Amino acid sequence: LAKTTQPISMDSYEGQEVNITCSHNNIATNDYITWYQQFPSQGPRFIIQGYKTKVTNEVASLFIPADRKSSTLSLPRVSLSDTAVYYCLVGRFSGGYNKLIFGAGTRLAVHP
Amino acid sequence: DGGITQSPKYLFRKEGQNVTLSCEQNLNHDAMYWYRQDPGQGLRLIYYSQIVNDFQKGDIAEGYSVSREKKESFPLTVTSAQKNPTAFYLCASSRVPGQISSGNTIYFGEGSWLTVV
Repeated sequence: LAKTTQPISMDSYEGQEVNITCSHNNIATNDYITWYQQFPSQGPRFIIQGYKTKVTNEVASLFIPADRKSSTLSLPRVSLSDTAVYYCLVGRFSGGYNKLIFGAGTRLAVHP
Repeated sequence: DGGITQSPKYLFRKEGQNVTLSCEQNLNHDAMYWYRQDPGQGLRLIYYSQIVNDFQKGDIAEGYSVSREKKESFPLTVTSAQKNPTAFYLCASSRVPGQISSGNTIYFGEGSWLTVV
């Protein structure tokens, strides 16, 4: 089971690009990398998912190097509403058992 | 709208009382899950269900019980045996149990706060 390591917290300002890196040295061949965003007292919201190289959607980009031992979530031009906790998730449901482990995530604070 | 509905949003439990949290999904997902989140912490798996009439214990199942009589419903009962139940509870689902992949991501409800009074 791949364990993930993320910075505990980050600070940014409105309009800046934010990059949050997640380390997952033990990622398995078939594992995907998924990022979630969580606001206080709300359920985590799916942001983006990828397997290799680069994935982009309307809210973020995900960069995954060739060795897949890390990934970087990129949030372009953040606003105050992007203040949240961001979770990097790597894993699989093994034999029907959900072995997804959520760490404490990265607390992003966006300032005016 | 398709999604996962949890109710109630806030619930208070007296000592020695059982309470039930509701979770309903209209995503036609086979797999459903219950997680517990303590303040400032990540999520911990309580129970999961791969299919109707089947469920398995997660990492912290003691003091909790579930049922899966219908595909769309997966209620969680917090029993009096759970000595520290105050937490944020999250229900989730995925299309099928198995490897996370494109098209098989886990989705969450909005959560329910349980407080012991």
